[in-house]
Amino acid sequence: EAGVVQSPRYKIIEKKQPVAFWCNPISGHNTLYWYLQNLGQGPELLIRYENEEAVDDSQLPKDRFSAERLKGVDSTLKIQPAELGDSAVYLCASSLGQGTPYNEQFFGPGTRLTVL
Amino acid sequence: AQTVTQSQPEMSVQEAETVTLSCTYDTSESDYYLFWYKQPPSRQMILVIRQEAYKQQNATENRFSVNFQKAAKSFSLKISDSQLGDAAMYFCASNSNSGYALNFGKGTSLLVTP
Repeated sequence: EAGVVQSPRYKIIEKKQPVAFWCNPISGHNTLYWYLQNLGQGPELLIRYENEEAVDDSQLPKDRFSAERLKGVDSTLKIQPAELGDSAVYLCASSLGQGTPYNEQFFGPGTRLTVL
Repeated sequence: AQTVTQSQPEMSVQEAETVTLSCTYDTSESDYYLFWYKQPPSRQMILVIRQEAYKQQNATENRFSVNFQKAAKSFSLKISDSQLGDAAMYFCASNSNSGYALNFGKGTSLLVTP
């Protein structure tokens, strides 16, 4: 079974440009997460989806970040405009969903963003 | 709110030896889970071991085991018979039963020397 797929793996852009990241979760996983991992830090949650609904987006900087999960499967995270401080790794994870034991999260390989 | 603290930025171990990575946490939840994740240079976060807080018995997965001290809020990872492939960043994380986001520590970089 395929794991969580993310693209692109690397992205280099100039500041003030827009950028988008794509995530395809494991088939059948209802919960999808986007995490931000700064250099030398652990991941921090940006947004969590239960199917199509964003149920926790309190840490998402809504002035420049947006996300969507159409049809409750794939998800896209967008930054517009990007700032130098947005350089980081953006991780996507998925899990079966509420009510399942442990609700174990499976991670994708991440997208490393560099803003020049 | 939950916080996770890893006080060892770097650790080193010789091949075939045993190493222990430390983690402390703080939570107001009565029911929660604790995890150790491994992140190699490929960036793929891989679950190593998990522990349910209500279980007194320490979790074990092959060469990996934990020492869970609930009263002290301590959750250390012991790697026995270390292998070169164990070299990676190790993150301790917690997850409450009422919410699903993982709270990660800052990680410990493990170096394994021949």
